[in-house]
Amino acid sequence: DTEVTQTPKHLVMGMTNKKSLKCEQHMGHRAMYWYKQKAKKPPELMFVYSYEKLSINESVPSRFSPECPNSSLLNLHLHALQPEDSALYLCASSPSGGRNTEAFFGQGTRLTVV
Amino acid sequence: DQQVKQNSPSLSVQEGRISILNCDYTNSMFDYFLWYKKYPAEGPTFLISISSIKDKNEDGRFTVFLNKSAKHLSLHIVPSQPGDSAVYFCAASAAGGTSYGKLTFGQGTILTVHP
Repeated sequence: DTEVTQTPKHLVMGMTNKKSLKCEQHMGHRAMYWYKQKAKKPPELMFVYSYEKLSINESVPSRFSPECPNSSLLNLHLHALQPEDSALYLCASSPSGGRNTEAFFGQGTRLTVV
Repeated sequence: DQQVKQNSPSLSVQEGRISILNCDYTNSMFDYFLWYKKYPAEGPTFLISISSIKDKNEDGRFTVFLNKSAKHLSLHIVPSQPGDSAVYFCAASAAGGTSYGKLTFGQGTILTVHP
């Protein structure tokens, strides 16, 4: 299994809603990531989990709350989002959170905030 | 502050010819470089990488060249195929510090390979 699986593929939510994005990998990777990609822009790192601990938070607003229940799962809890948060949210994993390793990406969740 | 730059938003190439995609970086701490390919509505797919201790890495039709002194890398695709048409992202990571494990992406280059 060489896949990173993200659910849902599409999500429309109101500004008062609470929703969660889910990510799963079974490659035994110990680092997992959340990236955000706006249209015609490169992916931008949000969070890194290494060995199930949060190692990088790129000054992301608290309305985004990551969670890593175990080494295979990564969640992103969303609350009180703004329309400008609409984007493609990408999950990725790599063998470790260290150097010289490539990250494998999921297909992403297309989020629209209305 | 764009630390990884792909100055060509798009590139059009004839099938069978060589595609050359370029990438420049400014952060001298970057020591590992990657190329990703992305189709619409999909996540990026890893293509090839190179460590800063090398100046070339080859994998089938894909070759990445690194010029550390110029802080420049390029991806060569030979021969180009219509299925190679996608957005190509250059990415870089730095050793150690608070950026450990973080990938910084360029803006991407749209490659179109015409039959």
